[in-house]
Amino acid sequence: GDSVTQMEGPVTLSEEAFLTINCTYTATGYPSLFWYVQYPGEGLQLLLKATKADDKGSNKGFEATYRKETTSFHLEKGSVQVSDSAVYFCALRAGGTSYGKLTFGQGTILTVHP
Amino acid sequence: DGGITQSPKYLFRKEGQNVTLSCEQNLNHDAMYWYRQDPGQGLRLIYYSQIVNDFQKGDIAEGYSVSREKKESFPLTVTSAQKNPTAFYLCASSRGTDTSGANVLTFGAGSRLTVL
Repeated sequence: GDSVTQMEGPVTLSEEAFLTINCTYTATGYPSLFWYVQYPGEGLQLLLKATKADDKGSNKGFEATYRKETTSFHLEKGSVQVSDSAVYFCALRAGGTSYGKLTFGQGTILTVHP
Repeated sequence: DGGITQSPKYLFRKEGQNVTLSCEQNLNHDAMYWYRQDPGQGLRLIYYSQIVNDFQKGDIAEGYSVSREKKESFPLTVTSAQKNPTAFYLCASSRGTDTSGANVLTFGAGSRLTVL
């Protein structure tokens, strides 16, 4: 079946450091890929998405590129802020489905210190 | 503003009791979902519904039940048969069909259930 694997956390960085959170996936066909963010005590919010190979999703300084050859969708940000502290989830939606059922990774906790 | 409302935010239950979590959306979305979140395990799908009066089991449906009598509402009942119900429960919705291939989930703020 479909699966998503994220790098294990927690990740702890200083403000203005470079961030990478690795995400790889296993899926049949051509899935759509997503990054969601969860702030403490809240639900998940969509951060960015990509629907086909070589697409780059971006939002709030975060970027991720859909790499079909390596089945990866790594999240990056050039300079993190304390407000970026949250849990980040990589997810996929299997190709050929017309509704939003997602498969999630286990989540990566990011803590940014001043 | 459109969104998803989950209630209650916190709930305590004694062992052997059933409890129902509410989820209401005003986004006019056709599909709705319930996920369970446990530390270090990400989100796991409990049930989902694509249209009114129809729903399907997800990956961990045992011990849970749902109904979808109205488009806006998708309540989840955690029954006494659920062996480890303490968790954070998230409701979500999405458009039923999407031609862009990027059908996006919108989430509620969650309900935290603790079994005493």
